Amino acid sequence: RKEVEQDPGPFNVPEGATVAFNCTYSNSASQSFFWYRQDCRKEPKLLMSVYSSGNEDGRFTAQLNRASQYISLLIRDSKLSDSATYLCVVNQAAWSGGSNYKLTFGKGTLLTVNP
Amino acid sequence: DTAVSQTPKYLVTQMGNDKSIKCEQNLGHDTMYWYKQDSKKFLKIMFSYNNKELIINETVPNRFSPKSPDKAHLNLHINSLELGDSAVYFCASSQETSGMPYEQYFGPGTRLTVT
Repeated sequence: RKEVEQDPGPFNVPEGATVAFNCTYSNSASQSFFWYRQDCRKEPKLLMSVYSSGNEDGRFTAQLNRASQYISLLIRDSKLSDSATYLCVVNQAAWSGGSNYKLTFGKGTLLTVNP
Repeated sequence: DTAVSQTPKYLVTQMGNDKSIKCEQNLGHDTMYWYKQDSKKFLKIMFSYNNKELIINETVPNRFSPKSPDKAHLNLHINSLELGDSAVYFCASSQETSGMPYEQYFGPGTRLTVT
């Protein structure tokens, strides 16, 4: 099983649509979780952290289910400017029993919002 | 002001050559990273340094040698370049607490093409 696995996509949706991205992770000891966004030919940027209780930032809602090792991102009322690749990111120990951590990125899901 | 900068932005070179990529961050962070993003857009950590000390060294050929002269700089030297080294290399930085990275800030990337 891949460390971080996402919907392969791509997703093509009209403006105003609601779109959901799913992600699973294999390491149950993972500590923290994020969604990053990467525009075409640009660097990744943090979109939002994901908290156990779920969290919302405007049109974006992130959920975490530790029991199922599952993370989701919901985008409501999608805009043209939401078109990007969305990366599911998990923070886990760099090596078993170690105290240093690393971010492991999923392959990303490409979203295109059409007018 | 650019938070994380990399030079050069583009690098085209022939197989067998040796090249370096430089990275600087002005955020005062104590941890810096090198990532490789291949043609399939998969972003994978290569190295991380905390206060000039190598913390993470993933399975990377020893042709790749990172160097951190101070905590604001992390350079990457690549010997005997191969076709498979063609990728985008991202530098990133973060402020770690107890070994846990918080938001990582990425540089704009260096697009390396080996011919």
